[in-house]
Amino acid sequence: NAGVTQTPKFQVLKTGQSMTLQCAQDMNHEYMSWYRQDPGMGLRLIHYSVGAGITDQGEVPNGYNVSRSTTEDFPLRLLSAAPSQTSVYFCASSYYGTGELFFGEGSRLTVL
Amino acid sequence: DQQVKQNSPSLSVQEGRISILNCDYTNSMFDYFLWYKKYPAEGPTFLISISSIKDKNEDGRFTVFLNKSAKHLSLHIVPSQPGDSAVYFCAAIHISSGSARQLTFGSGTQLTVLP
Repeated sequence: NAGVTQTPKFQVLKTGQSMTLQCAQDMNHEYMSWYRQDPGMGLRLIHYSVGAGITDQGEVPNGYNVSRSTTEDFPLRLLSAAPSQTSVYFCASSYYGTGELFFGEGSRLTVL
Repeated sequence: DQQVKQNSPSLSVQEGRISILNCDYTNSMFDYFLWYKKYPAEGPTFLISISSIKDKNEDGRFTVFLNKSAKHLSLHIVPSQPGDSAVYFCAAIHISSGSARQLTFGSGTQLTVLP
């Protein structure tokens, strides 16, 4: 049982480059979300989805784009990377109606 | 404005003693609270939760206490073990609102249990 799988685990980008962080879950969860973790800031919600075809913004959505074409996949796109987007990114999923999230192992992104 | 605050960035305790991690919140609409544990290079994992209709929830060595009037919750670990050394995140949610389940996290407390 894989749970929530994120790729890549590490990535270095130059300012202005674009990339996609992949997230897949095999638990048939309706709810999926992306968080970023920064020192002293805890986990902040970027975007979330309550089902295929439905996405919405979280607390810090600027500079990121998401889509949800299937229940399993929820990719996060960085449109034009900036140094302020250097962070650790976590994808999480859950059954709709609970706060008990299942997290992936994280993707560490550095933007130079 | 942080709605969920963990004011202690770090805590050290001796093995076998009690660890008490604290969390304060400001949004009175929160009605469900959770603790997550995070080891380095891993994602957070759910530890224990409590509904606002309760003031205590226990699971083995872990107990969460909720004081609604003070908008304060705490996580007690008894006895503490070296394997408990991790970052602990407090989180809160307005689960009865009918809206999407958006957790608000605190900034975390690094617990170190000394052998």
